[in-house]
Amino acid sequence: DAGVIQSPRHEVTEMGQEVTLRCKPISGHNSLFWYRQTMMRGLELLIYFNNNVPIDDSGMPEDRFSAKMPNASFSTLKIQPSEPRDSAVYFCASSSSSNQPQHFGDGTRLSIL
Amino acid sequence: SQQGEEDPQALSIQEGENATMNCSYKTSINNLQWYRQNSGRGLVHLILIRSNEREKHSGRLRVTLDTSKKSSSLLITASRAADTASYFCATGQAAGNKLTFGGGTRVLVKP
Repeated sequence: DAGVIQSPRHEVTEMGQEVTLRCKPISGHNSLFWYRQTMMRGLELLIYFNNNVPIDDSGMPEDRFSAKMPNASFSTLKIQPSEPRDSAVYFCASSSSSNQPQHFGDGTRLSIL
Repeated sequence: SQQGEEDPQALSIQEGENATMNCSYKTSINNLQWYRQNSGRGLVHLILIRSNEREKHSGRLRVTLDTSKKSSSLLITASRAADTASYFCATGQAAGNKLTFGGGTRVLVKP
């Protein structure tokens, strides 16, 4: 079982650049979640999908953030344009169904200079 | 705002001792889950307790849930240096399947 796979593991870029984070959920899981973790704000849910459909994006901080799930095995989180305050660790998680345990990837550590 | 709040924020114990951390929440829940996060890694699910359950065990872990007080506790017995990590509680509501995470308890187990 490969687990949730995120790429890249680390990303350093200059402000104003577009950033794309990628996630491959566990095969057969139909729910996918994007989180952001910082020291100041802890772990925040940004958006989640059920069966590839966005259900709740109320945690997406601004219009600069967008997420897509074109199929059951792939999702992207895009930031355009990026700002230094977007620096954080971004996690993707998946679960098999409602109220089941979530399986997390190892995250993308994003630094915006 | 966080639905779950852990207490204490940090805990330092000697190997072999027990570690207890608590989680309080505000609204009705369907279930409560505990996760562990090692430095630089993603969260790992430890245990899930449903709202109609009061206690659950898994190996050296014991979780209690008191819905009347809106609180839960996680006990790690006979701690090991490898238990050093941050521990998070997360609550799931009846509708939908998103979880709301607390701020975590950092546990240091000294050998």
